Amino acid sequence: DVVMTQSPLSLPVTLGQPASISCRSSQSLVHSNGDTYLSWFHQRPGQSPRRLIYKLSNRDSGVPDRFSGSGSGTDFTLKISRVEAEDVGVYYCMQGTHWPPYTFGQGTKLEIK
Amino acid sequence: EVRLVESGGGLVQPGGSLRLSCTVSGFTFSDHRMHWVRQAPGKGLLWVSRISTDGTETHYADSVKGRFTVSRDNAKNTLFLQMSSLGAEDTAMYYCTRDVQSVGDYWGPGTLVTVSS
Repeated sequence: DVVMTQSPLSLPVTLGQPASISCRSSQSLVHSNGDTYLSWFHQRPGQSPRRLIYKLSNRDSGVPDRFSGSGSGTDFTLKISRVEAEDVGVYYCMQGTHWPPYTFGQGTKLEIK
Repeated sequence: EVRLVESGGGLVQPGGSLRLSCTVSGFTFSDHRMHWVRQAPGKGLLWVSRISTDGTETHYADSVKGRFTVSRDNAKNTLFLQMSSLGAEDTAMYYCTRDVQSVGDYWGPGTLVTVSS
């Protein structure tokens, strides 16, 4: 199984400042079709997860453009250009290249300083 | 509006069975692969199962293989998860999710399964 490792696990951020979350996979996530099936999810307390990014860098509908995904191979990053209060919660990366199983990172908890 | 609503969760004794349902609306259910994902209390997300659009192809996490069965009724816009031989480790919120460009473009609110005597 592909292991997804996120860092940091806790991320205190000042409102209006940028934030960055790293995700590393135990093997390359480049699919034979050339796509990289790496997604990012955000889960607010008491709510269901919401997908922000799919296939490495594509924002889902309605996701603010302050969120961006990047990376290649085994190293990936989710960046928030300017953190807002509604961005608190836990962020997960997930790989969908080598399945089953689909595998998630441990989660990164973003909080406001 | 796309909606997914899970039901069927509850308290069940160890070794017992439970069937979860996920009723969808707002999109053509039969066009989409579907997944179940679970989250133990205070823990992260764990993928459980995937089913093809016509229900003929299914996949499971090793931790549930042989105990859980995913199925669907496209005429009733409903996804199912039959769970048996339940143990404490299966206690979790269970989410159904739609597959568009991979797992989870839409999620339901979840249904809580608690395995306890």
